Amino acid sequence: NAGVTQTPKFQVLKTGQSMTLQCAQDMNHEYMSWYRQDPGMGLRLIHYSVGAGITDQGEVPNGYNVSRSTTEDFPLRLLSAAPSQTSVYFCASSTTQNTEAFFGQGTRLTVV
Amino acid sequence: SQQGEEDPQALSIQEGENATMNCSYKTSINNLQWYRQNSGRGLVHLILIRSNEREKHSGRLRVTLDTSKKSSSLLITASRAADTASYFCATGSNDYKLSFGAGTTVTVRA
Repeated sequence: NAGVTQTPKFQVLKTGQSMTLQCAQDMNHEYMSWYRQDPGMGLRLIHYSVGAGITDQGEVPNGYNVSRSTTEDFPLRLLSAAPSQTSVYFCASSTTQNTEAFFGQGTRLTVV
Repeated sequence: SQQGEEDPQALSIQEGENATMNCSYKTSINNLQWYRQNSGRGLVHLILIRSNEREKHSGRLRVTLDTSKKSSSLLITASRAADTASYFCATGSNDYKLSFGAGTTVTVRA
């Protein structure tokens, strides 16, 4: 099994550009989430989903949109990139928020 | 704000020694989890302890949970160079969020 697959692995954006970070899982997990990781701050929750068609905001949702049209996919959209969004982004999936989470390998995003 | 806070922020030990790190949290939880992250990689799940459990073992890992003090500890025994990584605690609760701390960076010297 592939587990959780994130694409792309690296991306450089100019301020104001938009893009979508892709996340797919093949474990039939209901719960999926997006985190950003900045030096010294650990992982902060951006958005999460408890199932297809259901999404909610995490700790730092501003500037990001998500949708969950299928169980497998949970894309993260940056609407108008800002330098403050330079970070490493991780997607994770699990059966619920109270079970083991499986992480993708991350997307390193730089906004210039 | 983040739910969990790890202590210490960084730890350097000799190979073969034990490593202990602590996690404190603020609100009631259903479970507490520990993850490892090697440099430049995603997080890997190590162990989950539920709120009604006090201690759990997995190989060289021992986790304790004290809900009255809102704290947990992770002990790695007989450390190896391959244990060099960052370790994060994460709390799961009824609000559908899994919240992470800032992590402890462990360096195991040969």
